[in-house]
Order: sequence, then C-alpha cells, then structure tokens
Amino acid sequence: SQQGEEDPQALSIQEGENATMNCSYKTSINNLQWYRQNSGRGLVHLILIRSNEREKHSGRLRVTLDTSKKSSSLLITASRAADTASYFCATARYSSASKIIFGSGTRLSIRP
Amino acid sequence: GAVVSQHPSWVICKSGTSVKIECRSLDFQATTMFWYRQFPKQSLMLMATSNEGSKATYEQGVEKDKFLINHASLTLSTLTVTSAHPEDSSFYICSAREFRDANTGELFFGEGSRLTVL
Repeated sequence: SQQGEEDPQALSIQEGENATMNCSYKTSINNLQWYRQNSGRGLVHLILIRSNEREKHSGRLRVTLDTSKKSSSLLITASRAADTASYFCATARYSSASKIIFGSGTRLSIRP
Repeated sequence: GAVVSQHPSWVICKSGTSVKIECRSLDFQATTMFWYRQFPKQSLMLMATSNEGSKATYEQGVEKDKFLINHASLTLSTLTVTSAHPEDSSFYICSAREFRDANTGELFFGEGSRLTVL
C-alpha cells in the first residue's frame, strides 16, 4: 500500500519558474527520499533527508521535512524543460523489512 | 551511482505463458532487491522484497504462486510471472540497495520491464 500522498498530482509551469511539490505520509519514518521518473523509464534518486534533518539542498533542489506534520516538500528552482518528469517521494522505515514505500507522485510539465 | 540492469526491457507474450524478468546489480552487491509494479500514470506499488538466499517477502494481496521471485546470488534477482493473463500487463521495476548502505535507504532502479499479455 502507498505510504504517502503528493500534491499537486500534476503541475505545469513556465520554464524558469520554481516548482514546489508536497508529500504527506502516515507513519513514523527514518528518512524520506525524492525520486524522479521520466516517462516509461526507471527511477532516479534525487535526494535523501533523514528524520532528524529539516532542510537539505542539492544543486537546484531544496527539500524540507516536517516530522511533526508528517510532510515534506521538494522545490526545484529555475526550472528547465528537461525537468519535465514525474516526481515521487518515498519513505523508509527500518523495520525488519526495511522497505521503501512510494507516494502517489506529481507529474511536472515545464513549458518552454 | 550504482547500476542496476533489468532485462528484458519489454516483452509481449500470449495468455497462459510464463515470463521471467531479471534484475542485476552490475557493480555492487545487493542483499536486498525490491520488485515494484506500476500502472500507467500511477505510482509504484511494492510487490515483494527479495532477500538473497531466503524466501521473498510478499506484500498483502500479491500472489506468491503467481509472481515467483528468486534471489539466488548477491547480484541477481528474478521475477517470473506465471500463467500470465492480460490483467498482468504492467510496468515492472526492480530496485536494489547496496549491502554496505543497508541503513541509508537509497535505492538504485532498473529501467523497468514492460509486459504486455495478449
């Protein structure tokens, strides 16, 4: 079953603008990760934020985590056409299974 | 980053036949591999966790006899869709976690296998 929900489900912005995607989850986690998927392809890991971290940066990506609200956000600054993809948050819980559960995803379209 | 190879990338088969999909970690050892299923424009649904040398752990609602998983070595896991039916048509994606990074959680994904059952 899916752990998280993301909003918006779809987002279309002009190239150069910033894109913000949100993720909410239900249970306690050890870390939260964001992945990107181009249509019909596998997923690429973007960034991981641990439960004791509040914000993390990687290039044009900025991720925040609020464990009290069980939510995270991914900000892509100065968007490019090549950023068009689906973005998923995924949560990790270190039970014996140590499995990673994905959110519902946001389809991001960047208009040139 | 680490490389995961998945094969075949697409397969078309007749209803009632079985299809095997391979997932290989090319440059690292993966004690744990995960198999996901993805329908068009939807998220990834975890099917099972594959552990090297032991039985796979299946998610609720996933038929063990339908989706056979074997993880015989630290670099190879296979998913066999047995007696495939049109409703099994989907995009199947494997992922692997490096043995050394068991606690970081980062997954490396294969490119996926698109199964179409006629």
